[in-house]
Amino acid sequence: EPEVTQTPSHQVTQMGQEVILRCVPISNHLYFYWYRQILGQKVEFLVSFYNNEISEKSEIFDDQFSVERPDGSNFTLKIRSTKLEDSAMYFCASSEQGTLGEQYFGPGTRLTVT
Amino acid sequence: KQEVTQIPAALSVPEGENLVLNCSFTDSAIYNLQWFRQDPGKGLTSLLLIQSSQREQTSGRLNASLDKSSGRSTLYIAASQPGDSATYLCAVRSSNYQLIWGAGTKLIIKP
Repeated sequence: EPEVTQTPSHQVTQMGQEVILRCVPISNHLYFYWYRQILGQKVEFLVSFYNNEISEKSEIFDDQFSVERPDGSNFTLKIRSTKLEDSAMYFCASSEQGTLGEQYFGPGTRLTVT
Repeated sequence: KQEVTQIPAALSVPEGENLVLNCSFTDSAIYNLQWFRQDPGKGLTSLLLIQSSQREQTSGRLNASLDKSSGRSTLYIAASQPGDSATYLCAVRSSNYQLIWGAGTKLIIKP
C-alpha cells in the first residue's frame, strides 16, 4: 500500500542552524502539507502546497520557514534559523484531492533543537 | 475560529467492551472530519473520513458518525482489543486545506 515517507526520523540541531526535513508524498497525490506537534500539545497546521505554490499557511509559518518541491517526488520543509521552540514532531501529509480529500500522514521527523 | 474538543482525555476499559469516543467542534461549516490513531512516538494513521454530507462511515469494528448541525462526531469501537490502545484524534476541515485538531483521547484497553 502506498505510503508517505519522511527522513530523517530524528534530527538534532543547534539553535540558529538551518534544517531541511524531507518527505516523499504518495506518488499520485497533488496536495501536500506540513503539520507539527510539540510534545504534549495538539497537532498544528503549518502549510499546504499545490501546483508548486503555497495554497494556505498558518501564523506559525513565518519567514523562517519555507517549502519546496525540488523534483517530482520530494517535498521539503526548511527552517532557516532554528529556535528552541521549534523542537517538535513534524508530520508531512498528502492527499489526492484538495478540500474533500483524505490526508495521509508520514511517520514524522522528531526535531530537537539544543 | 474553529475549536475542536475531545472528551474524555483518557479512557480505560476492559477488553471486549464497546466504547464511544466524542469529538465536538464550534463551527458547523466544515467540509469533512477525519479520525486518526496515534501510537506513542509514532505517526498519524487515518481511520475514517466523513464528508459533511455524510452521517456515518464504517471500517471493520469502527463506526464514525457526524452530526454537523450540533457540531459533534463520535467514534464507536466494537469489541475492543488490547491492540486498540492508542490516542485517538479527530480533526476537522473547515477551510480549504488545513485540518484543525482535537487534543485526543488516550485509550487503554485492559486485557
